[in-house]
Formats: sequence, C-alpha cells, structure tokens
Amino acid sequence: QSVLTQPPSVSGAPGQRVTISCTGSSSNIGASYDVHWYQHLPGTAPKLLIYGNTNRPSGVPDRFSGSKSGTSASLAISGLQAEDEADYYCQSYDSSLSGYVFGTGTKVTVL
Amino acid sequence: EVQLVESGGGLVQPGGSLRLSCAASGFTFSSYGMSWVRQAPGKGLEWVSSITTSGGDTYYVDSVKGRFTISRDNSKNTLYLQMNSLRAEDTAVYYCAKKYRGSYLFDYWGQGTLVSVSS
Repeated sequence: QSVLTQPPSVSGAPGQRVTISCTGSSSNIGASYDVHWYQHLPGTAPKLLIYGNTNRPSGVPDRFSGSKSGTSASLAISGLQAEDEADYYCQSYDSSLSGYVFGTGTKVTVL
Repeated sequence: EVQLVESGGGLVQPGGSLRLSCAASGFTFSSYGMSWVRQAPGKGLEWVSSITTSGGDTYYVDSVKGRFTISRDNSKNTLYLQMNSLRAEDTAVYYCAKKYRGSYLFDYWGQGTLVSVSS
C-alpha cells in the first residue's frame, strides 16, 4: 500500500514542461527523509533519476529536476521528449513503518 | 558495470514456496545493503525486504513478515528471498536492488523475475 501520493498521469507535448507531485506525511517526507525519483519502463529495471531531493546521477539529463518542501516533493521534466514516456515513482523512508515507501506512480505521456 | 540478475521466479500454487536469487557483479557486494522490491500486475512499486551488509539485520514489510526470509551469501555475491506460504497477492515482478551507502535509496536495480501464485 503506497504511502506517498502521486497523480496517476500527466501529459504534455514535445518541448513542454510537466511536473509530478509527491505528497507524504510527517513520518516520511515531513520528517526530513530525502525523496528520490525513479523512471520505470515496463519490463525493464527501474532507473534512479533524482536522489537526495534535487541531485541527478551522472548521465541523467538536466531536463530532469527535483524539489522538496514540507511534506511534499516534485519532479519536473522540461523540454519533454518522446523517450520520457515512462512511469515515474517517488520514494522515501517512513519512520512509523520502519521501511522504504514508494509513491503511487505517475504515467507520463508525450502527446 | 553494476549488474543484478534475478532468477527463481515461476508459477506456484497458493501455500507453496519459492526461492529467488539475485546474482550481483560489478561492485563489492559485501559492502552494500541489498533489498527486494516488487510490482504487482497493474500496481506500483512496493518495498518487500532489506538486509544489511553482513546479513545481521533484516527488515520486512508487514504483509510478508513471518513468511519471507531475506538472506545473502557474500562469498557467492548472491542475495536470496525465501518465500513461504505464498498467497495470490504475492503475485508480482520481484526486483533486486542495491542500496546506496549511507542513504535510504536504491541506486541499481535488476530486471526482475516474475512470481505467479495461482491454482
């Protein structure tokens, strides 16, 4: 059962900017645990996209950016490209559950 | 290059058992915590279990406590998940994931292995 809430889907035309929200609570994001984002194409290994709220691993385009405030976080994709069509998940740690928690997932569609 | 290759998935009847394996390469396996994460059909990602570097500490999501056991063999660079008393709701793709040192995140994942629980 997902503890972090994301919109089921977002869409945009090529070149546009889209954002994905991730809403948590005082036992996870609000408890100062970092938020991380993964890109997942069905049938493939999930890929780390953003770590520590705002950091991009080597090789991830700077079109992807992350932010965090209070009990929420956001992922922004600017200059949307066809290859960005995928499912995106936020992830944090929850002190009440003593475990990792994921968002509900957001499907990004490039129109 | 970090590689994580899962195996052991398949079709099993409710109440049955299965053992998943994850062969790791490209990094010093014994220096990193490891986890299993699953994705049920049409659902999102769900953390299942984690294990520390030595295997001395293990952690589980409530829904699998008492039924699943995570373990590792550092001499074989392999992670395991023993799944007993399987239920239909355990049907999912199971991913092996490497924990990023000092943080609660997974920096590398395997491609997954499918576990189907059905009569």
